[in-house]
Amino acid sequence: KAGVTQTPRYLIKTRGQQVTLSCSPISGHRSVSWYQQTPGQGLQFLFEYFSETQRNKGNFPGRFSGRQFSNSRSEMNVSTLELGDSALYLCASSEQGTGNQPQHFGDGTRLSIL
Amino acid sequence: GESVGLHLPTLSVQEGDNSIINCAYSNSASDYFIWYKQESGKGPQFIIDIRSNMDKRQGQRVTVLLNKTVKHLSLQIAATQPGDSAVYFCADGEGRNTDKLIFGTGTRLQVFP
Repeated sequence: KAGVTQTPRYLIKTRGQQVTLSCSPISGHRSVSWYQQTPGQGLQFLFEYFSETQRNKGNFPGRFSGRQFSNSRSEMNVSTLELGDSALYLCASSEQGTGNQPQHFGDGTRLSIL
Repeated sequence: GESVGLHLPTLSVQEGDNSIINCAYSNSASDYFIWYKQESGKGPQFIIDIRSNMDKRQGQRVTVLLNKTVKHLSLQIAATQPGDSAVYFCADGEGRNTDKLIFGTGTRLQVFP
């Protein structure tokens, strides 16, 4: 089985722009979660989707949004980019989203804001 | 709010020795715990997990111990190898039909010959 796939791997944007990141979960996985990883804050939960519904959201401003499609693929969007949004954005998927089974991560999208 | 903390930011061990990485959590209602390994340029890789109704779980060369009394979690790696060098994260799963994970700050494991 192919793992979690995230595209693109690298992105460079400037302040004020917006960006869309994509995540394809492992085949058959229905739950997708997004995390932001920075050296200062570590890994922080952004949001979680299950069956096209946002089930949980972390403590991030409204500029961060996401969605999930019927095939479980997910996208996240960040509008009005700020320098502090520079980070590695990670997507993880699990089969049932029950909270007691492992999530598997992709290799992330490295977003740099100039 | 709940948090998951690590005792040591860096752990250096000699090849062949056993490694122990520790982790503390604060939420007594936590139901699920998981360890990840992250190598440079890659996403976190699942190592082993444990549910709150267990005290110990073993995998291949790895063992996770859970002490709910003191809210402590540890990862033991037997016969540490150079390929084990990475950053290790523990995470607390809230369970109850949510995959949200609260991650610790991570411990860097360095294996020297």
